[in-house]
Amino acid sequence: SQTIHQWPATLVQPVGSPLSLECTVEGTSNPNLYWYRQAAGRGLQLLFYSVGIGQISSEVPQNLSASRPQDRQFILSSKKLLLSDSGFYLCAWSVGGNRNTGELFFGEGSRLTVL
Amino acid sequence: AQRVTQPEKLLSVFKGAPVELKCNYSYSGSPELFWYVQYSRQRLQLLLRHISRESIKGFTADLNKGETSFHLKKPFAQEEDSAMYYCAFLYGNKLVFGAGTILRVKS
Repeated sequence: SQTIHQWPATLVQPVGSPLSLECTVEGTSNPNLYWYRQAAGRGLQLLFYSVGIGQISSEVPQNLSASRPQDRQFILSSKKLLLSDSGFYLCAWSVGGNRNTGELFFGEGSRLTVL
Repeated sequence: AQRVTQPEKLLSVFKGAPVELKCNYSYSGSPELFWYVQYSRQRLQLLLRHISRESIKGFTADLNKGETSFHLKKPFAQEEDSAMYYCAFLYGNKLVFGAGTILRVKS
């Protein structure tokens, strides 16, 4: 069966420090991968998605970047965190290509607090 | 731009009362719409999709192209229905979510 893991679950970082959130999927190949941010009152905001290794689509201009160094690994990064980067980050995967049904499978999330 | 609007941040109903969570979309083509649910301390998960035309946990949602709506309904709310509900729209490989509605079912 397929599983998705993301870590760390909780992170407290000072303003200006770097960030790395990691997400891995097991039990499937060539998935679509997604990073969302969940903020109170703003719902789920799509940040990045990837349909293949090295292919990253950015949805929102921001202080963050994403990379997909391996088929089932998706990393969210920042060189210098801002206060506004605080939030709950969710990684998700879906079946890729023409078999994409719109069903996303979410990780447990990573809560980032920037102080 | 393709958009999903959920006008209510919070919907509070009594157990046994009917529930309707509103969702409106903005898209000129044939949309693919979904409802996702997040129960307390659980992962966000798919509840139902309009293509399936199914009832899940007593919930149904009908696509109304004339009103560009995809409201989620249940005739009799249960306490275990309390959760955050998101309407979502598939556009290519992107799933675009609304702001979400918290449903609270009171006993």
